[in-house]
Amino acid sequence: AQSVTQLGSHVSVSEGALVLLRCNYSSSVPPYLFWYVQYPNQGLQLLLKYTSAATLVKGINGFEAEFKKSETSFHLTKPSAHMSDAAEYFCAVSLNNNDMRFGAGTRLTVKP
Amino acid sequence: DGGITQSPKYLFRKEGQNVTLSCEQNLNHDAMYWYRQDPGQGLRLIYYSQIVNDFQKGDIAEGYSVSREKKESFPLTVTSAQKNPTAFYLCASSPWLAAVDTDTQYFGPGTRLTVL
Repeated sequence: AQSVTQLGSHVSVSEGALVLLRCNYSSSVPPYLFWYVQYPNQGLQLLLKYTSAATLVKGINGFEAEFKKSETSFHLTKPSAHMSDAAEYFCAVSLNNNDMRFGAGTRLTVKP
Repeated sequence: DGGITQSPKYLFRKEGQNVTLSCEQNLNHDAMYWYRQDPGQGLRLIYYSQIVNDFQKGDIAEGYSVSREKKESFPLTVTSAQKNPTAFYLCASSPWLAAVDTDTQYFGPGTRLTVL
């Protein structure tokens, strides 16, 4: 069965600093990988997804993620944090089997 | 505008009562899902449905029931058998049977259920 582990339940950065949110996956076959963002009391919004077309995936709001098979990682980055990026971020994995597994989430705080 | 709607946004229930959470989508998606979200635990799958009149249990189905009589609708009933129902409930849908984008799930805004 597939699973994801998000390293760090809480990440704090200064405005303008690099954002790095870590996600490692476990899967016996090449997976589909996703990052979602959730603002307080709202649903999840898709940031980006990896479906094997390209290892570097660009998403909305300036975020991108790189699929590294050798490291089984799919870390999310943004070069310069903005106050509006403060939210909870979820990594998820799916094997095209209608079974998506989510990480526990990472709460991003952006300090002025 | 295509999307997923959930109602109500906030719901309060007395112990021993059943409540039904609504989920409607106009994306023409085949599959629909219900998740429960608790602080620090991510999302856990309650039920999912790939086609009309068919649904499957997820990881935490006990104390919940669903129906899928129409493609657009997938209501969730939280029964009195659910021991700790206070949580944030999220509905999602995905194309599933389409040729592309089958695995991507799109989420509604959620319903926050509080048991008094």
